[in-house]
Amino acid sequence: DQQVKQNSPSLSVQEGRISILNCDYTNSMFDYFLWYKKYPAEGPTFLISISSIKDKNEDGRFTVFLNKSAKHLSLHIVPSQPGDSAVYFCAASLISGNTPLVFGKGTRLSVIA
Amino acid sequence: KAGVTQTPRYLIKTRGQQVTLSCSPISGHRSVSWYQQTPGQGLQFLFEYFSETQRNKGNFPGRFSGRQFSNSRSEMNVSTLELGDSALYLCASSLPSGRGEGQYFGPGTRLTVT
Repeated sequence: DQQVKQNSPSLSVQEGRISILNCDYTNSMFDYFLWYKKYPAEGPTFLISISSIKDKNEDGRFTVFLNKSAKHLSLHIVPSQPGDSAVYFCAASLISGNTPLVFGKGTRLSVIA
Repeated sequence: KAGVTQTPRYLIKTRGQQVTLSCSPISGHRSVSWYQQTPGQGLQFLFEYFSETQRNKGNFPGRFSGRQFSNSRSEMNVSTLELGDSALYLCASSLPSGRGEGQYFGPGTRLTVT
């Protein structure tokens, strides 16, 4: 069963607008959440993370929001740029820190100029 | 600092054969994790090695195995290849207490099984 779900396989956004990527999880023991970005022919690269003790974390154009009661997180990219076009993976890990990351299936973001 | 390297980058094998993939972590990183990426399933965790010992294992059949050497380099082996093993295999290295953002991925090995 999929513990981390990204229900939108793809998303298209115009340059300059906001991109919102969503992620849901089922395991309430997850306490750390991450977003990775992946370009073709490259490995995923870390983008931003959030601990379960916070509900928001911001890094430049990227903001992650966490709603623990709904077991939902979202990544906001403002403003979106063509270089943001990539596959975005949501991932979660358990409290111990030495447990493997559980990834969603990814959302392909296309930013149209 | 050199990144994570994986060899080979592309591989074509026939059903029933076996394959070995290699991963060299970032210098100083002692933890190496392997993931399988397929279009339908996203990234799925295979196993993690730390100090030459398997520390975590995902839900994959015994045909998938791995090992880690004293220099932290890691190999994964898939025996009796099946068509469904066609995927991108990603390796990630991290410091022992890495909590995700410390995981650095290599470019992957694209395996095609015919």
